Amino acid sequence: NAGVTQTPKFQVLKTGQSMTLQCAQDMNHEYMSWYRQDPGMGLRLIHYSVGAGITDQGEVPNGYNVSRSTTEDFPLRLLSAAPSQTSVYFCASSDSYRTNEKLFFGSGTQLSVL
Amino acid sequence: DAKTTQPNSMESNEEEPVHLPCNHSTISGTDYIHWYRQLPSQGPEYVIHGLTSNVNNRMASLAIAEDRKSSTLILHRATLRDAAVYYCILSHANAGGTSYGKLTFGQGTILTVHP
Repeated sequence: NAGVTQTPKFQVLKTGQSMTLQCAQDMNHEYMSWYRQDPGMGLRLIHYSVGAGITDQGEVPNGYNVSRSTTEDFPLRLLSAAPSQTSVYFCASSDSYRTNEKLFFGSGTQLSVL
Repeated sequence: DAKTTQPNSMESNEEEPVHLPCNHSTISGTDYIHWYRQLPSQGPEYVIHGLTSNVNNRMASLAIAEDRKSSTLILHRATLRDAAVYYCILSHANAGGTSYGKLTFGQGTILTVHP
């Protein structure tokens, strides 16, 4: 199993550009989520999904859109990139959204917005 | 939501045990205690979790205080590969008994392991 795969690993954008960060998991997990991590800080939840067609906002959703058309994929879209969105982005998945879930994380996408 | 408090950093020598503390004095009865670690330039990795009883797995042990207001992650023999940021996290269940994986990561404890 590949687990959780994120692409690209690195990306540089100019302010105002749009792009999509890709996330795919091959474990048939119900739950998927996106986090961002800024230097010296913990991870903050952006959006999450508990199944295909169901998404909801996390702690810091502004400036990001998500959709979940399949169980495997959960892309994160930046509509108009801003320097404040420079961060490392992690996608995670879990086979359930109950309290004892174990999250599997991807290796991250490092995004710089100039 | 209940918060956790961890020391900013700890140091250990290789092949010695490491006890990483975590305080969570406002924990509720349905909150699970999770530990994740993050190696440099990698995504977080699950270590262990528990509710009330102590837990053991191949990576570590989790000791939970009787009143559940604190817990300790125990690495029995630290190796250089254990150098990472360790996060103690509570998963909060909503009224329906689900948490939607809303794990809130604090700043964690930076563990340095000396050869």
